[in-house]
Amino acid sequence: DGGITQSPKYLFRKEGQNVTLSCEQNLNHDAMYWYRQDPGQGLRLIYYSQIVNDFQKGDIAEGYSVSREKKESFPLTVTSAQKNPTAFYLCASSIRGGQTQETQYFGPGTRLLVL
Amino acid sequence: RKEVEQDPGPFNVPEGATVAFNCTYSNSASQSFFWYRQDCRKEPKLLMSVYSSGNEDGRFTAQLNRASQYISLLIRDSKLSDSATYLCVVNRYSGAGSYQLTFGKGTKLSVIP
Repeated sequence: DGGITQSPKYLFRKEGQNVTLSCEQNLNHDAMYWYRQDPGQGLRLIYYSQIVNDFQKGDIAEGYSVSREKKESFPLTVTSAQKNPTAFYLCASSIRGGQTQETQYFGPGTRLLVL
Repeated sequence: RKEVEQDPGPFNVPEGATVAFNCTYSNSASQSFFWYRQDCRKEPKLLMSVYSSGNEDGRFTAQLNRASQYISLLIRDSKLSDSATYLCVVNRYSGAGSYQLTFGKGTKLSVIP
């Protein structure tokens, strides 16, 4: 089955700890994205990558880091510098990225909770 | 004016009813428009793209009014399974020839038996 997978489904973080959220896609899409969704809020873009070994900051990149070493994978690290990390994290991908009429497809998401 | 604005609802409608949602956007340079559906605690899924001429997919009709900068979604003959939050999504220029998506906060629909 082609699609986007995210793991884990739930993740608990202790104060001062870095955690990494996994995102993998087998759709052969060039572009991948990380969004954060808070209750009653719209999705906000954290980072995006349009090609391997390149990524750009989104609207709320502070306290987060990413890497794009493989086309299929775009892990997100929530660092201890992110003071309010509790949220629903969604990974998405699109065929090329940055085009005007391009659809983004989402993974099932990871819920991050701070202990 | 917020980039993408939607009435949060909830819209509580009986089965079989027709319901319409509107969404306004602030960036007149936006070129692409979408409606996504998000079920509770799930990921958003594309419902339909919105084209200038308007488009229909079964019971769903989307319209775009560029002059007034709003998008609408009409759902006819509502089903219980239509209960969800509907996200209005608009693209925006993010520099270097690239576009990104801006998501509205969503409109919640509950279809009641």
